[in-house]
Amino acid sequence: ETGVTQSPTHLIKTRGQQVTLRCSSQSGHNTVSWYQQALGQGPQFIFQYYREEENGRGNFPPRFSGLQFPNYSSELNVNALELDDSALYLCASSLRQGSLSGYTFGSGTRLTVV
Amino acid sequence: QKEVEQDPGPLSVPEGAIVSLNCTYSNSAFQYFMWYRQYSRKGPELLMYTYSSGNKEDGRFTAQVDKSSKYISLFIRDSQPSDSATYLCAMSATTGANSKLTFGKGITLSVRP
Repeated sequence: ETGVTQSPTHLIKTRGQQVTLRCSSQSGHNTVSWYQQALGQGPQFIFQYYREEENGRGNFPPRFSGLQFPNYSSELNVNALELDDSALYLCASSLRQGSLSGYTFGSGTRLTVV
Repeated sequence: QKEVEQDPGPLSVPEGAIVSLNCTYSNSAFQYFMWYRQYSRKGPELLMYTYSSGNKEDGRFTAQVDKSSKYISLFIRDSQPSDSATYLCAMSATTGANSKLTFGKGITLSVRP
């Protein structure tokens, strides 16, 4: 399977709830990064995982956490959801760390917090 | 002040026009510069990747980087309706471990037939 697959595509949650978003990396890619894209804004870096370890984090609170699995798929977990968490969440995989020209983005999960 | 500022939009041009998209940045550590295109309901896809100052051409697209002015541009020649999308500039100070992309807010381009 080629490309980056994210699930679900859309999600509606209530403030205070918890959510898990999933990402399947492109075949052979061992690094995954997560970005948050609010409406009308550019993506903002949340964190990056390499070989199952967090490897770099942006300016996001600890209630944003992640996992990477041995098959390089990944999860983004957000606890205690706030209205401002409503955004498109993008997963990007790359063949290796720092392969800036080799990022492949998924189509994202649109999260709405009400 | 945001690290990366992108010209506000939206931008509407007739088919065949030359389009100029611009970003400025404040972090002098940025060395790697990218332009992404994002269609509605899709993730960003890489259009152009350049390192340091200079020009790079790929078909109808030309990327320019002027590090002394902290200014980057993307030119689209002979624009087509299929070029209608949101264009995002992105930058990074490093490759390797702990690298990350810092994006502009994007500009929506509409090319009228």
